[in-house]
Amino acid sequence: DAGVTQSPTHLIKTRGQHVTLRCSPISGHKSVSWYQQVLGQGPQFIFQYYEKEERGRGNFPDRFSARQFPNYSSELNVNALLLGDSALYLCASSLWTGYGYTFGSGTRLTVV
Amino acid sequence: KQEVTQIPAALSVPEGENLVLNCSFTDSAIYNLQWFRQDPGKGLTSLLLIQSSQREQTSGRLNASLDKSSGRSTLYIAASQPGDSATYLCAVTGGATNKLIFGTGTLLAVQP
Repeated sequence: DAGVTQSPTHLIKTRGQHVTLRCSPISGHKSVSWYQQVLGQGPQFIFQYYEKEERGRGNFPDRFSARQFPNYSSELNVNALLLGDSALYLCASSLWTGYGYTFGSGTRLTVV
Repeated sequence: KQEVTQIPAALSVPEGENLVLNCSFTDSAIYNLQWFRQDPGKGLTSLLLIQSSQREQTSGRLNASLDKSSGRSTLYIAASQPGDSATYLCAVTGGATNKLIFGTGTLLAVQP
């Protein structure tokens, strides 16, 4: 069975640009969450979606947005990129919220 | 506000040693606790999930315990191997969204 897949694996963007990160959950999983991990820290919660509805949002500015599609895949969008947005972005899926999370390999975003 | 702390921040042991990693959390009203492993620059691999009603879980050489009342969990690794070298993260879920709240991790190095 395929695990959680994220694309792209690496990305370099310029300040002010926009970026879209994609995630496909494990088949049958209806919840997708996004986390940001900066070097040396634990991942920080950005968004959670369940059954295509936003169920939670972390302490991130409105430049960050996300959505979940009918096939339960998800996109994370970040507008007006700042240098501080450089991080590893992780997607996690679960059967339902809080059951137990499986993570993808992440997208390494570098903003220059 | 839930806070998760992991001690020690870094640990170096010779191959074959048994070791214990510690995780503490400030709010005992958790749904579950999950231990993850992270290799440098990679995503998170789930090691063990302990539901709030459970006291421990075991997988191979790994054993994790949970004491909700004292806000503590330990990850015991038996007969450590160089391949165990990685960062170990614990995370708790709880609250309305059951999002994961992570500690900052323990960086483990097992010397051959």
